[in-house]
Formats: sequence, C-alpha cells, structure tokens
Amino acid sequence: GAVVSQHPSRVICKSGTSVKIECRSLDFQATTMFWYRQFPKQSLMLMATSNEGSKATYEQGVEKDKFLINHASLTLSTLTVTSAHPEDSSFYICSARDLQGNTIYFGEGSWLTVV
Amino acid sequence: AQTVTQSQPEMSVQEAETVTLSCTYDTSESDYYLFWYKQPPSRQMILVIRQEAYKQQNATENRFSVNFQKAAKSFSLKISDSQLGDAAMYFCAYRPGTYKYIFGTGTRLKVLA
Repeated sequence: GAVVSQHPSRVICKSGTSVKIECRSLDFQATTMFWYRQFPKQSLMLMATSNEGSKATYEQGVEKDKFLINHASLTLSTLTVTSAHPEDSSFYICSARDLQGNTIYFGEGSWLTVV
Repeated sequence: AQTVTQSQPEMSVQEAETVTLSCTYDTSESDYYLFWYKQPPSRQMILVIRQEAYKQQNATENRFSVNFQKAAKSFSLKISDSQLGDAAMYFCAYRPGTYKYIFGTGTRLKVLA
C-alpha cells in the first residue's frame, strides 16, 4: 500500500535554533500534503495545507513565519520550525493526498523536543 | 463551523465483548466523508473504517462497523469480539471536499483480559 515517510522520527533541538521535518510520499505522487500538530493527550490539529509548487495555506492562529512549509516536488514537503521554543515541542504528523484519487495517507509522525 | 465531538474520553471493554464508540459532528455540507482512525502508542494513524455521506448503507470492515445517522449527524463505531490489540486511541474524523481532516478529541479504548 501507499506509504508516507517522515524524517526524522525524533529530534531534539536547542531553543532558538531551527529544525526541519521531511514528509515524503514513497510510492505515489502527492499534489497536496497536510501538516498536523498533536500535543500530548490531545487531538490532531491541522496547521497548514501544502500544495506542490505554490505557497502553503495556513490555518488560523498558525504563524507562517515560524512554521515554514515548502512543497518543492510531488513527493516531498518540508516543515521547518524556526527559532524553536520549548512550547513548540509536540508531535508533528503529515498526510498526503494521492494524485489519482481521494485517498489520504498519514506519515508515522515526528517528535520534536525543544530544550 | 465544522466540528467533531467525541463525548467519551475513555471506554473499557472485556476481551471478546462488543463496544460502541460515539461520535457526532456538525456541518452544513452535504457531501463529505467520515472516518475512524486508530492511534496506538506508536502514534501511527491507522485507518479503521470510512463512510461516504452519500451512501446510506453502513460501512463494515470485519469486526468493525459503523452506525451512520446522517440526519442526526451521528457516526458511531462498533467493535465486535474485542481483542487486546484493539486497545488504542480512536479518533473520529470528518473530511469535506477540501481534504482537510477535522478530528474529534479521541476516545481511549482499554481492552480487559
């Protein structure tokens, strides 16, 4: 079946630095990818929608200058957390829409810890 | 605004028994999809079952079935013959044509041996 891979699965970074998380569709092309954030014991909250070759669309309340999203190809979207702070520590999950249809596949998620 | 509500933060079921997880949603759309996802401790989102709103027939996947009541905007999940491996967080999700998911707050299912 279709696979969406995220890398890294876990990352620890120092406060004030930037960290990049990759989301790759391994065996299909994804016109659209989505980035979610999940705090401990909470639900997934959509952060932004990433379309290949265009600017991401951010949900209300999400700082676009802090969470930079790039979707440079049909198989790769990246989320860069800039000037990270401890409150940015969370589980980040991406999902990708298969170009052929209306199926969405989720990545395995990435744990970010900012110390 | 579109919302998804799961009123049961936690449920327990005896192994081999049946349990029903509740979900209600609010939307003015007529065409949408509803899903139940399972999230084990690994945090990987696993699709359990999906329902197209235009279909009146309730979806079924082996031991998992739904009771979809469109007029009432209700979408419950029934797990039959519960197994220890069913223990996880279960999220109800709504997806309109934009492909953006709106998730409920989740129900933690415990399966007792």
